[in-house]
Amino acid sequence: DAGVIQSPRHEVTEMGQEVTLRCKLISGHNSLFWYRQTMMRGLELLIYFNNNVPIDDSGMPEDRFSAKMPNASFSTLKIQPSEPRDSAVYFCASSLSIGLAGANTGELFFGEGSRLTVL
Amino acid sequence: KQEVTQIPAALSVPEGENLVLNCSFTDSAIYNLQWFRQDPGKGLTSLLLIQSSQREQTSGRLNASLDKSSGRSTLYIAASQPGDSATYLCAVKLNQAGTALIFGKGTTLSVSS
Repeated sequence: DAGVIQSPRHEVTEMGQEVTLRCKLISGHNSLFWYRQTMMRGLELLIYFNNNVPIDDSGMPEDRFSAKMPNASFSTLKIQPSEPRDSAVYFCASSLSIGLAGANTGELFFGEGSRLTVL
Repeated sequence: KQEVTQIPAALSVPEGENLVLNCSFTDSAIYNLQWFRQDPGKGLTSLLLIQSSQREQTSGRLNASLDKSSGRSTLYIAASQPGDSATYLCAVKLNQAGTALIFGKGTTLSVSS
């Protein structure tokens, strides 16, 4: 069974450009999480969805960031316009959750991450 | 607000030693706790998941314990090997709708041969 698949694995772009990161969930999972990892702040939750509905987006830095789930198995994280301080590794993770707003989250599985460098 | 702390931040041991990694959390109303391993440049790999009703979980040379009332978990690694060198992170899920896993900053382990 394929795990969480993220693309691209590496992206180098210039300040001001639009960046789109993609994630495919594990088949059958219904919760999706976007995390950002930096040396200074560790792993930070950006946003998570349960059954395609955004549940908590309080971690999204600002309006330049947006995330969507166009269907139950796929998500995108978009940064427009990108800035050098957005440079980080962006991880997508999925799980099977039950209960209200996915309250009971099962084991979390991560993708390999997308390393973003904004020059 | 839930905070997760891992001490020490880094640890170096010779091969063969048994070791303990620590994780503490401020809100004991958790649903579960999960330990992960991260190799450099890689994603996170789940090692052990402990439900709030459980006291420990074991997988091979790894044993994770949970003491909810004191807000602590430990990851015990027996007979460490150089291949165990990695960063180990713990994460907790609050027993509350609309919350996601909160991560500690990890302990970076180096096992020398």
